[in-house]
Amino acid sequence: ETGVTQTPRHLVMGMTNKKSLKCEQHLGHNAMYWYKQSAKKPLELMFVYSLEERVENNSVPSRFSPECPNSSHLFLHLHTLQPEDSALYLCASSQDRGVTDTQYFGPGTRLTVL
Amino acid sequence: GENVEQHPSTLSVQEGDSAVIKCTYSDSASNYFPWYKQELGKRPQLIIDIRSNVGEKKDQRIAVTLNKTAKHFSLHITETQPEDSAVYFCAAGGFGADGLTFGKGTHLIIQP
Repeated sequence: ETGVTQTPRHLVMGMTNKKSLKCEQHLGHNAMYWYKQSAKKPLELMFVYSLEERVENNSVPSRFSPECPNSSHLFLHLHTLQPEDSALYLCASSQDRGVTDTQYFGPGTRLTVL
Repeated sequence: GENVEQHPSTLSVQEGDSAVIKCTYSDSASNYFPWYKQELGKRPQLIIDIRSNVGEKKDQRIAVTLNKTAKHFSLHITETQPEDSAVYFCAAGGFGADGLTFGKGTHLIIQP
């Protein structure tokens, strides 16, 4: 499956490191999303971009910083993370921002914060 | 905001039997209810969805029912097979929402 790709697939980082997660979609979609998937918790929507404009999400800590340079690419910049941030980070895209548009997920980045 | 509850968290059924997973939601404005399947180590994938103007939808062995009055919807899998083993997530969303709200997931185990 090559519709939505994510790199790296696995990442181990210390609490003082700075790293970035990358997502790329080849589906011509206009909306992209970052989700956090922790064990025994629902998928948590972190950020939404529609036509490269970000929808504010005030509940996400500022140590997570998204960037969407164009409609095909989405980044999640990480700095001074905490161990509880360890999780699977999933990127998704949909044709448009509408809730009823099917979301296509990437394979995820398994992040471990030491 | 929307709140989605999903039950059970784990469901074990004999191969060939039926499986039912139930979800409830809180926001009466929600009108779209997809179900995603996530196999071990893989990404979530949409398997079926239903909109609020429909009470039931079926696709081969999979069906989804929706009761808007009671605010609950269910996934039904008949004649279960080993490849049905996975985690299933329900979700809900409506016009104006920024995205979907997901349930916690149900780990479906098909016993041979």
